[in-house]
Amino acid sequence: DAGVTQSPTHLIKTRGQQVTLRCSPKSGHDTVSWYQQALGQGPQFIFQYYEEEERQRGNFPDRFSGHQFPNYSSELNVNALLLGDSALYLCASSLGMGGGTQYFGPGTRLLVL
Amino acid sequence: EDKVVQSPLSLVVHEGDTVTLNCSYEVTNFRSLLWYKQEKKAPTFLFMLTSSGIEKKSGRLSSILDKKELFSILNITATQTGDSAIYLCAVEARGGDKIIFGKGTRLHILP
Repeated sequence: DAGVTQSPTHLIKTRGQQVTLRCSPKSGHDTVSWYQQALGQGPQFIFQYYEEEERQRGNFPDRFSGHQFPNYSSELNVNALLLGDSALYLCASSLGMGGGTQYFGPGTRLLVL
Repeated sequence: EDKVVQSPLSLVVHEGDTVTLNCSYEVTNFRSLLWYKQEKKAPTFLFMLTSSGIEKKSGRLSSILDKKELFSILNITATQTGDSAIYLCAVEARGGDKIIFGKGTRLHILP
């Protein structure tokens, strides 16, 4: 039973560039949530996708956007990268919008220089 | 504004000690409180608590929720070096699957 997978594991970008991170949910899950975890902080909710639509959004600027595909996998896009975007980006999957337990992927560590 | 506050932020104890980690919260339309263990990257699920006063146990770990006082504790007895990790508390609100995390407690167990 495949768990949540994310790619790439590490990424280095420079300010102003754009980045795309990918997530495949746990088998049987249809909901994907994205979190940003800065060093020494807890994960901060970015947004959640269900049925290929953004359903909930945290306090993040429009530079952060996403997409969910018919196979439930998801992408997180960040435009015009800032130094402060350096963080661990976590994807979590769950079943439906009913509050099922979220299972986290290993994350993508993004460094912006 | 919804928030989750964990204390202490860091803790160093010796193997065999018992530790208690605290989590207080303020959230509208509370649905559940969750505890996660984060060792390297992916937080791993420990407990989900929805009802007051009912202790959940898993081996040496246990947790309880007080919905009147808006807090939860996570206890670890007979600690081992493998318990060294960041322990995250999160609260889930009704109306969606948004989860609000605390900053975590960084626990280090000395051999």
